[in-house]
Amino acid sequence: KAGVTQTPRYLIKTRGQQVTLSCSPISGHRSVSWYQQTPGQGLQFLFEYFSETQRNKGNFPGRFSGRQFSNSRSEMNVSTLELGDSALYLCASSLGDLTGGADTQYFGPGTRLTVL
Amino acid sequence: AQSVTQPDIHITVSEGASLELRCNYSYGATPYLFWYVQSPGQGLQLLLKYFSGDTLVQGIKGFEAEFKRSQSSFNLRKPSVHWSDAAEYFCAVSGGYNKLIFGAGTRLAVHP
Repeated sequence: KAGVTQTPRYLIKTRGQQVTLSCSPISGHRSVSWYQQTPGQGLQFLFEYFSETQRNKGNFPGRFSGRQFSNSRSEMNVSTLELGDSALYLCASSLGDLTGGADTQYFGPGTRLTVL
Repeated sequence: AQSVTQPDIHITVSEGASLELRCNYSYGATPYLFWYVQSPGQGLQLLLKYFSGDTLVQGIKGFEAEFKRSQSSFNLRKPSVHWSDAAEYFCAVSGGYNKLIFGAGTRLAVHP
């Protein structure tokens, strides 16, 4: 099976612009989660989508948003970029079945966003 | 609040030596615990996970971890480290609905 893919792998934007990142999950996975990784804050959860619905959300401002399509692919959007948004954005996919209490997430290679 | 602590920021071991990376968690209910590894510029690769059952879990690449509820720990071990194990290691606990709470990570260097 192909793994989680993220596009683009690298992005350079300027302050005030907006950006859209894309994530294609492993075939058959219905849940997609997004994380931000920075040297100062580490790995932080942004949000999770399951069957096109946001099921969980982290503590990020409203400038960060996402959506999921019927084929489980997901996009993440950041509006009005700030310098502090420079980070590695990681997407993870999983089956989405939480009846066992937890799910196993598989990560993509990430998108490196640089804000100038 | 749920949290994960990895006390060691950097660890250096010699190739062939044994390894133990520490992880302590704070979580009120039954924890679901994970170890991931990240090579420079890459995403996270799952090494192993603990959901329930046997407290000693085996993972990929010869890694294992032991869940100790009394110590709120989930330490990662490997009996003999290879140079290719040099990377950053993250311990995580599931915070519900696929929200993973990560520790700050431990960077492992391996000396030949």
